[in-house]
This record gives sequence, C-alpha cells and structure tokens, in this order.
Amino acid sequence: DAGVIQSPRHEVTEMGQEVTLRCKPISGHDYLFWYRQTMMRGLELLIYFNNNVPIDDSGMPEDRFSAKMPNASFSTLKIQPSEPRDSAVYFCASSFGLAGVYNEQFFGPGTRLTVL
Amino acid sequence: AQKVTQAQTEISVVEKEDVTLDCVYETRDTTYYLFWYKQPPSGELVFLIRRNSFDEQNEISGRYSWNFQKSTSSFNFTITASQVVDSAVYFCALSEAGGGFKTIFGAGTRLFVKA
Repeated sequence: DAGVIQSPRHEVTEMGQEVTLRCKPISGHDYLFWYRQTMMRGLELLIYFNNNVPIDDSGMPEDRFSAKMPNASFSTLKIQPSEPRDSAVYFCASSFGLAGVYNEQFFGPGTRLTVL
Repeated sequence: AQKVTQAQTEISVVEKEDVTLDCVYETRDTTYYLFWYKQPPSGELVFLIRRNSFDEQNEISGRYSWNFQKSTSSFNFTITASQVVDSAVYFCALSEAGGGFKTIFGAGTRLFVKA
C-alpha cells in the first residue's frame, strides 16, 4: 500500500515567491495533519483537517500560510510570500479516527523547503 | 495545557548497551493518548507505540519496552541490547481527548549507537 505522498521532496525558492506543498494521504484516512520541523522549534503542528474540514489552524504562523483540502485525497500548504525563516522540513501525516480512539499518524517523507 | 518534556537532548551508547529514553507529560485531561515515534536519518517519522490513559500495562516488543506510570506522568522507552540501526531521533507525543486530534510532540531525544 502506498503511504502518505508528498511533493516536492525538495524545494528551493527565493524570498517573496509563492510556495505550494502537496500531500496525498493514505486512502481511507479521515484526518490530515501538516507539521513543520526546525532545529529551533522542533516539530510543530500547523493545521489539521477532519473529513476535509479544517479543525484547528492555531499553529499556522501567520497569514502568509494557508492550507486547503479540496477532497479526501489531496491537500496543499501554501506560503505566499515566502521568507527565509520559513525554511524547514514540512511533513504531512494522516490518520484514521475511530470513535474516540486516537490512532497513530502515518507521516510522509517530508518536503525540505529552503527560502533564499 | 498539554506539554511533553524529553529532557535528554542526546544520548550516546555503545552497541549492546541498554538505554532508556525519558518522557514526562502534563495534561489536565483524564483521557489521553501517548505515543512514541522514531525518526531515522532518512527523515521520515515512524510510529512505534500508542498507549491510552486507562492502560498502564507495560509493553514489550522485541528489544523495545515501554513503562507507563501515571503517578509520575511518565512514559519511558527502553531499548535493550541497542544496535547501530537504533540510531535515530525519538519523539514522545501526547493527544488529549478533549483537545480534538491535536498532538503535541516533545523536543525529541537523539540517540547515537556506536559500533
């Protein structure tokens, strides 16, 4: 079975450019999470969706960040305009929530973003 | 508010040594879930174990074992007879039932196992 798929795996861009990260969750999973990992701040939850609906976006750093999930098999995280401090590894994860049972999350390989 | 503390930033051991990774959590919820994940050098996070707050039984899986103690709010992870392939960053994480599906991760412990 395919795991969580993220693209691109690496992205190098210049400050001010728009960046779009993509994620395909595991089929049948109803939760999708976006995380950012940096040396300074560790692993931070940015936003998560349940059945394509954003549930908690309190971790989104600022208005430059936006995330969408138009259907159950696709999500995007967009940064516009990008800044050097956005450089990080961005992970997408998915999970199956079952009536109060908090199951494990399956992580994608991550997108390493470098903003020059 | 939920919080996960992994006080050990880095641990270095020699192969075949036993090593324990500490995890202390804070929560006001009576129902919560604890997790351990492994992040090898390849970068992808891999799930290791989940425990809910009503199940304090310790668990053993091969060379891995977990000790959950609600009295001390700890969920420690022990690797017995460590191997070089165990070298990775290990994260402890917490989800509160009252917090939706939001998961808070600890800062991680980087484990080096030398041959």
